[in-house]
Formats: sequence, structure tokens, C-alpha cells
Amino acid sequence: EAQVTQNPRYLITVTGKKLTVTCSQNMNHEYMSWYRQDPGLGLRQIYYSMNVEVTDKGDVPEGYKVSRKEKRNFPLILESPSPNQTSLYFCASSLGGAGTGELFFGEGSRLTVL
Amino acid sequence: KQEVTQIPAALSVPEGENLVLNCSFTDSAIYNLQWFRQDPGKGLTSLLLIQSSQREQTSGRLNASLDKSSGRSTLYIAASQPGDSATYLCAVRNRNFGNEKLTFGTGTRLTIIP
Repeated sequence: EAQVTQNPRYLITVTGKKLTVTCSQNMNHEYMSWYRQDPGLGLRQIYYSMNVEVTDKGDVPEGYKVSRKEKRNFPLILESPSPNQTSLYFCASSLGGAGTGELFFGEGSRLTVL
Repeated sequence: KQEVTQIPAALSVPEGENLVLNCSFTDSAIYNLQWFRQDPGKGLTSLLLIQSSQREQTSGRLNASLDKSSGRSTLYIAASQPGDSATYLCAVRNRNFGNEKLTFGTGTRLTIIP
């Protein structure tokens, strides 16, 4: 089954404790991206990757890191989480970049930082 | 900077009625526009993708139109059913200054009354 898989789905952590949210897709998609969803603010793009070893910042990249060492995986890294990073996070992928991309989303990862 | 607006924020209609959801955007230089639905606590499910060269797309009871020059898209749902209750989001894809950008509206929460 074609899908985007995120882990963990739910996580409670404390300020400053490094964490990684994994994202994997099995559709051989080139484009992958991360979003956060907050009440009243909607979905905002954190980082995106047009292909392996190519990443770029979205609208709200501060406090986040990403890597794209292989096509199927695009982990989101919070080096020193803070309470303002409490949010619902989504990973998405599409076959290509602009003009080719129906986006497919993961189920989301709800992160709480105390 | 692209801004995407969805009005109204919430809509309730009786089952069986046809309805229209609206999406407007400020920068008409888009690659495509995509409509999603989101059920509570779930990820986003793609409904329709309209490329910038297209005027409309249809899937079952759903029809989405795009008027790039006026910065508007509509999602038409025919013969609404209780299972259509969800939040509907539109997203536009731009390329600005070399950055791939995807901007979401804040959504319309639709409730179909049995």
C-alpha cells in the first residue's frame, strides 16, 4: 500500500531533550516536506527536500533540522525542543516538485514539549 | 508573500444539499492548487489537484474550479452526505525567489446535518 509513515504518532518530552520524528514513503517520491499545524495558524511549511541531499527552508524552519540521505526517508530533528514547538506535525511527499506534485500526507505526529 | 483565505471558517448544511467552498489567494503565479479534507485527529487526504493550466477537475461528487487571474478556487460538493463532514483545506504551490512554497488556507469546517 502506498503510504507516508511517521513515527512516533504521539510524544511527550521535556525542554531541551533532543528528539527525531521519522518519515518514510514507499512511493519513490522525489519531493518530501514537513509541516506543523497549530490552531488558528493552519499548516505551515518547515522544511522541504526536492531530492536526495537537497533540502531548503520553508516558512518556519527555526529550531528544526532535517536530512535527506536517502530517497525514502526525511527525518525531522529537534535539537533542543521548546514548549513553542508543541504542535501537530505532518510529513508529506510527492512524485516531483512544482507542477507535478499531488501531495500525500502522513497521519501526523502530535508532539508536546513540557 | 502568498496568502490563502478560506471563507467561511465553518459551515453547516442539511444532508442532500449541494454546497460550495471557497478559496482565494493573493499571488496568481501558482503552479497548482490542491484541495484536501482532514478528519479530526487525522492526516490530510488529497481530493483534487488542479494544475495552473487547468480550469477544473472532477472526482465523483466533487468538482473543483480554478480562476487564476482572479485568485479563486471553489470546491463544489453535490448531494452532500454526513460522511462529508470534515475540515476542507486548499493549498497553493508557488515558486518564489528559488524556494518551493506551499501555502495552506486555514480551512472550512463542514458539518452535514442528517
